[in-house]
Amino acid sequence: QVQLQQSGPGLVKPSQTLSLTCAISGDSVSSNSATWNWIRQSPSRGLEWLGRTYYRSKWYNDYTVSVKSRITINPDTSKNQFSLQLSSVTPEDTAVYYCAREKRVDIFGMDVWGQGTTVTVSS
Amino acid sequence: DIVMTQSPDSLAVSLGERATINCKSSQTVLYSSNNKNYLAWYQQKPGQPPKLLISWASTRKSGVPDRFSGSGSGTDFTLTISSLQAEDVAVYYCQQYYSTPYSFGQGTKLEIK
Repeated sequence: QVQLQQSGPGLVKPSQTLSLTCAISGDSVSSNSATWNWIRQSPSRGLEWLGRTYYRSKWYNDYTVSVKSRITINPDTSKNQFSLQLSSVTPEDTAVYYCAREKRVDIFGMDVWGQGTTVTVSS
Repeated sequence: DIVMTQSPDSLAVSLGERATINCKSSQTVLYSSNNKNYLAWYQQKPGQPPKLLISWASTRKSGVPDRFSGSGSGTDFTLTISSLQAEDVAVYYCQQYYSTPYSFGQGTKLEIK
């Protein structure tokens, strides 16, 4: 079955860049029937979709406006994974970060999630 | 951007009784071209990521018990648990995938009365 395994640091200093990776098994980051998403969850913001990457003959990205100037989501086809980079972080970026597959055939929706990474922004 | 609003914020229901959670979107999530509502429901238990229960507003994901059902169209949706079981204690979220940025409701915490 499809699994997503997250990795990355749990503590990031203010003004630095948060970097997380999501390794995919059982599917391909280049799949034409999926998108690959990052979502975060905090008590103040609830579940917040950050953005996605997906391949449809070429690579596309979508980002939410609130972080658009600071976020990059990149696929890595050689390792079958995708990554999140969020620059210039502040304590407001403290949250549990999830990667998730969005299936785009038959049953749509975020059907597979990573285990979550608790990221704290603090000096 | 589409704003999703759930009601109530919390709900206590007796075992075996019906639980009903509502979700309202700030604009329609019904695509007229295919007559599908781009609305999903998730269940989240403590320490776990959300789990997809229902997509297209009313289609249960394979393996989801049939006591879970979804209904509604356009801007108003409902998740119903027909006979509450102890394992259904969780927070439930609706999510629209009609347009990016995708958005979630604030969640409804379901407990046993």
